[in-house]
Amino acid sequence: KAGVTQTPRYLIKTRGQQVTLSCSPISGHRSVSWYQQTPGQGLQFLFEYFSETQRNKGNFPGRFSGRQFSNSRSEMNVSTLELGDSALYLCASSLVGLLDNEQFFGPGTRLTVL
Amino acid sequence: ELKVEQNPLFLSMQEGKNYTIYCNYSTTSDRLYWYRQDPGKSLESLFVLLSNGAVKQEGRLMASLDTKARLSTLHITAAVHDLSATYFCAPSRWGSQGNLIFGKGTKLSVKP
Repeated sequence: KAGVTQTPRYLIKTRGQQVTLSCSPISGHRSVSWYQQTPGQGLQFLFEYFSETQRNKGNFPGRFSGRQFSNSRSEMNVSTLELGDSALYLCASSLVGLLDNEQFFGPGTRLTVL
Repeated sequence: ELKVEQNPLFLSMQEGKNYTIYCNYSTTSDRLYWYRQDPGKSLESLFVLLSNGAVKQEGRLMASLDTKARLSTLHITAAVHDLSATYFCAPSRWGSQGNLIFGKGTKLSVKP
């Protein structure tokens, strides 16, 4: 069974640009969550989508947005990039309704903002 | 607001030794997840602890959960170099598993 896939794996952008990251969950998983990982702040929750609806949102500015499609694939967008947005962005998927509801993480997209 | 504290944050140990990583959290949670991350890699699920008193073991790692004390432990037995990684805990509640709050991680280095 294929795992969570994320594209692209690496990205270099300049300040002020915008970026879109993509995540394909494990087949059958309908919940997709996004996290940002930086050396300073650690792992921080961005948002969670289920059935094309945002269920939860972390404490990030409005420049960070996301969406989920009917096939459960998800994208996140960061507009007006800042140097501090340089991070590893991780996507995780899970089945909903199981007792453990374990999240499975993708390989991540490493974003560098110059 | 849930706060998660792991200690130690850095752990250097010799092969063959035992040690315990602690994960304390501030609000009621009924489950807890442990993940491992190798440098430059993603998170790999280690344990899912679903109830008070839950104990799970995999190889040289054993995790336990005390929901009353809001404490989970990850015990390492007879460490080997392959266990070198960063370990994260994330307590959660039913219905909130999609937005995990992680500890800062414990960076473990096992030296020969």
